[in-house]
Amino acid sequence: EVQLVQSGAEVKKPGESLRISCKGSGYSFTSYWISWVRQMPGKGLEWMGRIDPSDSYTNYSPSFQGHVTISADKSISTAYLQWSSLKASDTAMYYCARRKDYGDYGASFDYWGQGTLVTVSS
Amino acid sequence: QSVLTQPPSVSGAPGQRVTISCTGSSSNIGAGYDVHWYQQLPGTAPKLLIYGNSNRPSGVPDRFSGSKSGTSASLAITGLQAEDEADYYCQSYDSSLSGSDVFGTGTKVTVL
Repeated sequence: EVQLVQSGAEVKKPGESLRISCKGSGYSFTSYWISWVRQMPGKGLEWMGRIDPSDSYTNYSPSFQGHVTISADKSISTAYLQWSSLKASDTAMYYCARRKDYGDYGASFDYWGQGTLVTVSS
Repeated sequence: QSVLTQPPSVSGAPGQRVTISCTGSSSNIGAGYDVHWYQQLPGTAPKLLIYGNSNRPSGVPDRFSGSKSGTSASLAITGLQAEDEADYYCQSYDSSLSGSDVFGTGTKVTVL
C-alpha cells in the first residue's frame, strides 16, 4: 500500500527555522517526484515545488522560489520542506503528494500525505 | 494567483447533476496538457478524483466524469449525494511558469 506520512503539527515564532518531512512507503521512492502543496486557512491549493528523489533535482513555483527549500534523502525515502526564517504568513497546512508523470501531457498527484499544520505566531 | 479559473460555488439537490468548469489558457489546458480533478472533503487531504481528463481511479464512483475541450475542462457529478459536499480542484501543467504544476481556484459543492 502506497503511503506518504508527514511529520506532526508545528508551532513556531516569526524568524525561526523549520523543516517538515514526508516519508514514502509501499513503492519505489526514487521512481516518482514528490511535490509540496500549500493551503492557507480557508483558501485553495497552491503548488509550491517538486523534487526528483533519485537525484534531488528541484523545480519551484515562481511564487515560492527563494522562500522555501525542498530536499530529499532517498536512503530513508523522505522528502523535506524547510524555511530559514518563518513569517506569520507561512501559517498554513502543507501537503506532500506523489507526482505521477504522463510524459508530454503533464502529471497528476495520485497519493497525498495527511498534511502538516504549521502555525507561526509571536 | 491561479492560472486556472473555477466558479467559487455550485449547488444542487440530491439526485441532480452539477458541473464545474475549469478555464485555462494556451499555455496550460489549451497546449494539450491533461487536466486532473481532486475532491477535498472537510478537514481531509485532497484525493485524486479524475486523471488524464476523463479517467477515474479505482474506487471512484462512475457518477463522477470529466471532459476537456480547447482551453477548458469540466467535472460533472450526476446523481448528487450528500457525501459529495466538498471542495473540488482542477489541476494541470503550465509551460509558461518555469514548468509549474498549477491548481484551479477551487469550487465548493453544496448539496441542498
